[in-house]
Order: sequence, then C-alpha cells, then structure tokens
Amino acid sequence: GENVEQHPSTLSVQEGDSAVIKCTYSDSASNYFPWYKQELGKGPQLIIDIRSNVGEKKDQRIAVTLNKTAKHFSLHITETQPEDSAVYFCAASKGLTGGGNKLTFGTGTQLKVEL
Amino acid sequence: GAGVSQSPRYKVAKRGQDVALRCDPISGHVSLFWYQQALGQGPEFLTYFQNEAQLDKSGLPSDRFFAERPEGSVSTLKIQRTQQEDSAVYLCASSGGTEAFFGQGTRLTVV
Repeated sequence: GENVEQHPSTLSVQEGDSAVIKCTYSDSASNYFPWYKQELGKGPQLIIDIRSNVGEKKDQRIAVTLNKTAKHFSLHITETQPEDSAVYFCAASKGLTGGGNKLTFGTGTQLKVEL
Repeated sequence: GAGVSQSPRYKVAKRGQDVALRCDPISGHVSLFWYQQALGQGPEFLTYFQNEAQLDKSGLPSDRFFAERPEGSVSTLKIQRTQQEDSAVYLCASSGGTEAFFGQGTRLTVV
C-alpha cells in the first residue's frame, strides 16, 4: 500500500519568514495530494491540494509543488503569521481514478511561528 | 448541514464496554470515511462508504470494530469490548467529489 513520509516533524520560524514542509510517497498510482492544517482539539482542515497533472498551485500565501518523477511534494507558506501555528499533514490518494478518496497521511509537522 | 458533525466530542469508556460514535456528513455527500488518529500521529484510514454501501473496511483493526451507514447519510462506528489501545480520536470525513472534509472528531479514552 501507499506510504507517505513527512519532514520535518517540528519547524520553528520567525514571523514573516517562509516555512517549507516536504513529503514523499511510494505509490506511483497516487494522483491527488491534499494538505491539511490541524489546530489543537479540532479536525483536519483542507488548506490546499494538487492533482498529478499539475506541477504547482498557489493560493495567496500558500503554495504546493509536485514532482511526480521523484514522488515528492512540498508545502510552502510565505510571510508566516502566528495564526499559521498548527500541525500540518500531507496526504496522498488515488482519488482521481475513482473508488473513493482513501487518504494516506504523513506523520505531521508541528509548525510554530514565533513573534 | 454546514460541516461534518460528530458526537459525542468526548467519550470515556471502561475497558470492556461497547461504544457508538456518530457522524453526520455534509448534506448530499456520497462518500463517507472513518479514520483513527492516535496521539501525535496522522489519521489512519478505517473504512469507507459510498452511499449505504461499505466498499472498503480494510483499515478496521479487529472484528470488534463495526461501521454502518444504513440510509446513506448518518454513519455510526461501533467498538465492542473496548480496550486501552482503542484510545484515540476518531475522525469522520465526507466527500462530494475529490476533496474530503473532516469533522472535529470524537476523543475516546478507555480506562
């Protein structure tokens, strides 16, 4: 089955700096890669996703890149703010080919944005 | 509804007790998923429904875990004879296409 690895496990940045979280996946058939933000005591919240036919996607301060050949994808947050502090999870699935959207998650990155 | 709703938010069960966790998906969403999230870990897939049909239950850890969605909307995850290792947050997600939206989860503590 699919295996997703995520690094780093913790990341501390100064407010205004950029943060980068990297993930690799094992199953070349995976074609959908969402990123979730999870705050304490809450469920994961979808913040951005990318499909396998696209190399990069941006949404304001958040961007995701995908390298299908190397089987890795990354989350980039620019101009970080204290409210960006949370745990971030990457995930992978074969959702675009039907059969549901069973997600395999990485182990999470605790991002702390310091003032 | 506006989002995925799960109840109860917290559940404390004595070892050996049966529990039932409820999920109300986003109205009209065909797909419903259950995940288990241990402390400090990412969610792990348990089972998947398309309408009322349970199409994948490969992630259920034992036959003590049972899920149903009889009318294709609300779903219940039942755990029989709870054990300490069942302590976790149980997350429900629903999807109307590719994106999956999660509820806040039920934190189960088995004592």
